[in-house]
Amino acid sequence: NAGVTQTPKFQVLKTGQSMTLQCAQDMNHEYMSWYRQDPGMGLRLIHYSVGAGITDQGEVPNGYNVSRSTTEDFPLRLLSAAPSQTSVYFCASSYSNQGGTEAFFGQGTRLTVV
Amino acid sequence: AQSVTQPDIHITVSEGASLELRCNYSYGATPYLFWYVQSPGQGLQLLLKYFSGDTLVQGIKGFEAEFKRSQSSFNLRKPSVHWSDAAEYFCAVGEAGNNRKLIWGLGTSLAVNP
Repeated sequence: NAGVTQTPKFQVLKTGQSMTLQCAQDMNHEYMSWYRQDPGMGLRLIHYSVGAGITDQGEVPNGYNVSRSTTEDFPLRLLSAAPSQTSVYFCASSYSNQGGTEAFFGQGTRLTVV
Repeated sequence: AQSVTQPDIHITVSEGASLELRCNYSYGATPYLFWYVQSPGQGLQLLLKYFSGDTLVQGIKGFEAEFKRSQSSFNLRKPSVHWSDAAEYFCAVGEAGNNRKLIWGLGTSLAVNP
């Protein structure tokens, strides 16, 4: 059981470039989310999805787009990378949106924007 | 405002010693409480969670946590630490019916001396 798979693990971008961080889960979870983790700031929610075709913004959505065409996949797109987007990105999934449901995390993507 | 505080940024213990990591929260209703662990270069893994009932919760890897409503605390404990417990530990609070409203502490980094 692979769980939540993120690719790539590491990426270096130049300012202004775009890219997509991939996230896939094989647990048939309805709820998926993207976080960024920065030193001293904990985990901050970027975007989330409660099911295929449904997405919404978290607390730090600017500069990022998401889509959810299938239950399994939830890619995160950086439209025009900025140094402020240098961070570690985590994708998470859970079987429901209900409070208390365990979130399963991918191993993260370490992104550096130069 | 809802918040989670982990007062200790970094803790060092000797292998075999007991451990207590502190977590305090500010939340209007009865919260859902979580402890996650993040090993170096890895995603977050759920250690344990509290929803209701017995205020002493057992988790994986020999960890336990006690919910104390009067102190708004959910401290994580382990009677005897192993070198493999060195990691980052995160406390989180969630609200019923809305998993996206997870509020994260900033984490406590645990180092274990041999």
